[in-house]
Amino acid sequence: DAGITQSPRHKVTETGTPVTLRCHQTENHRYMYWYRQDPGHGLRLIHYSYGVKDTDKGEVSDGYSVSRSKTEDFLLTLESATSSQTSVYFCAISELLLETQYFGPGTRLLVL
Amino acid sequence: LAKTTQPISMDSYEGQEVNITCSHNNIATNDYITWYQQFPSQGPRFIIQGYKTKVTNEVASLFIPADRKSSTLSLPRVSLSDTAVYYCLGGSGEGSSASKIIFGSGTRLSIRP
Repeated sequence: DAGITQSPRHKVTETGTPVTLRCHQTENHRYMYWYRQDPGHGLRLIHYSYGVKDTDKGEVSDGYSVSRSKTEDFLLTLESATSSQTSVYFCAISELLLETQYFGPGTRLLVL
Repeated sequence: LAKTTQPISMDSYEGQEVNITCSHNNIATNDYITWYQQFPSQGPRFIIQGYKTKVTNEVASLFIPADRKSSTLSLPRVSLSDTAVYYCLGGSGEGSSASKIIFGSGTRLSIRP
């Protein structure tokens, strides 16, 4: 399996608090992605990165920001968490855009 | 607006061939079509990827017609362990690179003995 870890794996937080999720890779892949997965919606792209400090918005980027200061780390921040952001968040990596993506184990976030 | 559409669920029996079709109405002419498999509490896992006609690997085949507006994942002789959710990945040929990354909502495949 590709070397991708996500932390934390589970988190419970309250509405209005900031939350940061971390994705770490050991594969030196150029592209990194953040998705959310909700029942009935499948996987929806939040943001992705195509290099250090290079990021772009996805389909559901409102309320989220990202940063990538090192090749191996991609951070997803919820500036002020809302209940609608309760979801399972997956990080993925790939060598090139639309080439095979390798997914992390996911982070389950509950916003009360 | 690009949409990637697939059936919500399918049922089959062990030993049967299962075909899952995905429609991607606005895929770019030079983008790959990719399928992933996901088990509960795990991240999706790559199954197969193709550009046109037919691709086969050790676990599945992928059929893509000439107009590329759909694709069919074929699982030969399924077993109970093939029970999972299957996602197709397509996207739009228009707009930003992010618009190319549109997953379908997933097909929940249930295999019975």
